[in-house]
Amino acid sequence: ETGVTQTPRHLVMGMTNKKSLKCEQHLGHNAMYWYKQSAKKPLELMFVYNFKEQTENNSVPSRFSPECPNSSHLFLHLHTLQPEDSALYLCASSQASGGIGYNEQFFGPGTRLTVL
Amino acid sequence: AQKITQTQPGMFVQEKEAVTLDCTYDTSDQSYGLFWYKQPSSGEMIFLIYQGSYDEQNATEGRYSLNFQKARKSANLVISASQLGDSAMYFCAMREVYNNAGNMLTFGGGTRLMVKP
Repeated sequence: ETGVTQTPRHLVMGMTNKKSLKCEQHLGHNAMYWYKQSAKKPLELMFVYNFKEQTENNSVPSRFSPECPNSSHLFLHLHTLQPEDSALYLCASSQASGGIGYNEQFFGPGTRLTVL
Repeated sequence: AQKITQTQPGMFVQEKEAVTLDCTYDTSDQSYGLFWYKQPSSGEMIFLIYQGSYDEQNATEGRYSLNFQKARKSANLVISASQLGDSAMYFCAMREVYNNAGNMLTFGGGTRLMVKP
């Protein structure tokens, strides 16, 4: 595997289900991100992890729970979601750094989530 | 106020012609970086080009170039010799220096480019 992988690619769940999204990066990066992409809205940053520590929670509801067990893996645990949570969830990774350096984020293919 | 504005929700371009996708941004930081990403229908965001706020020359990467006008706070993407495979969503994003620990990006709403044969 190369780059950033995400599983599953598609997920349909009911509002009472509990599921998890998985992201894995094979790039040796030390920062990982979850984004939400809804129809007709800009990409929204949800969580940032630097060196396995969460450094940003962008006012995300508690029904989304991230977990970063090591610098290569990132999970998003989902429970009691709402239909408006249906979206494409993108994971990304990069080198963490200060300053303005050229540290582009590499994205995975996303998980298309549908909440019924 | 939006930090990144892309005013063209959709654009058509004839194959082999050049096209400019607009992006304006708002920041009070002196140090920042601007990125363009391409998102085909498969969903993956593909990095295209980067411009640092202190870079004196406009960035270029193959058929992609960035028309950076700092005083106007604009960072337009120019795609030369459009190809059918260029049909996709294009996102402009900005990275502001963030507590020396992060690499947060703020994205614009995107422009859907459609290349006509």
